[in-house]
Amino acid sequence: RKEVEQDPGPFNVPEGATVAFNCTYSNSASQSFFWYRQDCRKEPKLLMSVYSSGNEDGRFTAQLNRASQYISLLIRDSKLSDSATYLCVVNSGDSNYQLIWGAGTKLIIKP
Amino acid sequence: NAGVTQTPKFQVLKTGQSMTLQCAQDMNHNSMYWYRQDPGMGLKLIYYSVGAGITDKGEVPNGYNVSRSTTEDFPLRLELAAPSQTSVYFCASSSIRGRNTEAFFGQGTRLTVV
Repeated sequence: RKEVEQDPGPFNVPEGATVAFNCTYSNSASQSFFWYRQDCRKEPKLLMSVYSSGNEDGRFTAQLNRASQYISLLIRDSKLSDSATYLCVVNSGDSNYQLIWGAGTKLIIKP
Repeated sequence: NAGVTQTPKFQVLKTGQSMTLQCAQDMNHNSMYWYRQDPGMGLKLIYYSVGAGITDKGEVPNGYNVSRSTTEDFPLRLELAAPSQTSVYFCASSSIRGRNTEAFFGQGTRLTVV
C-alpha cells in the first residue's frame, strides 16, 4: 500500500460546479497535512494546510478524518483557473519530519 | 524576492557524464530538500538537510550526492548519469523542522539523460 494515495483522475468538471477529492494516508503517526497545487510543468505551491477541525479558505475547504486516515479537499464554484494537479502531502510522523507526497489528482475545469 | 533559485532550468547529459544541479535560497531557511518527479508521479525525496553540515538520505538517494556547506546552498551532484535519472528535479526549503511548515520550491530542472 502506498503511503499517500490519491485518485489520479482526471476529474472533468464544468465551470461553477463543486468538486471534491480525497487522499488516504497509511501512517497513523502523521501529524501535518497539506494540499499543494501544481500547474503543468511548474513547481508545487501550497494551497492550504489541513487542521484537525477542518478549515476553509474562500472557495476551498479542507477536512481531516484521523480515524479513517484521509483528508479531503472541496472546491466550490469552480473556476477555469482551478485546473491543475492537486497534491496531498503528509509528514512522516517521526523526528525527521519528511514530507510524503501523493501522486496528485488532476482537475480539469471545462467552460 | 528570489526565494529558491535552481540552475540550470534544462539540461541534456550523455550516459556516464557528471553534473551538479545548483540550488540556493535567500530566506534563511534551515531545511532544504531535493526531489525528483517522474511523469505522472508524485515527488520522491532524494536527499534533505536540516542545517549546514547535515545531510540525510531520502527515499531515492542512489546515484546522487549532496553537500550543505552554507545555509543558502544545497547542490545535488550526479556522478555517473544514467537514463533512469531523466526526470524533473525540484529543490525546496522550509523554515523549521516541525508542524505546518510550508515548503517553497524552485522552478525545477528538467534533466534528460541520453
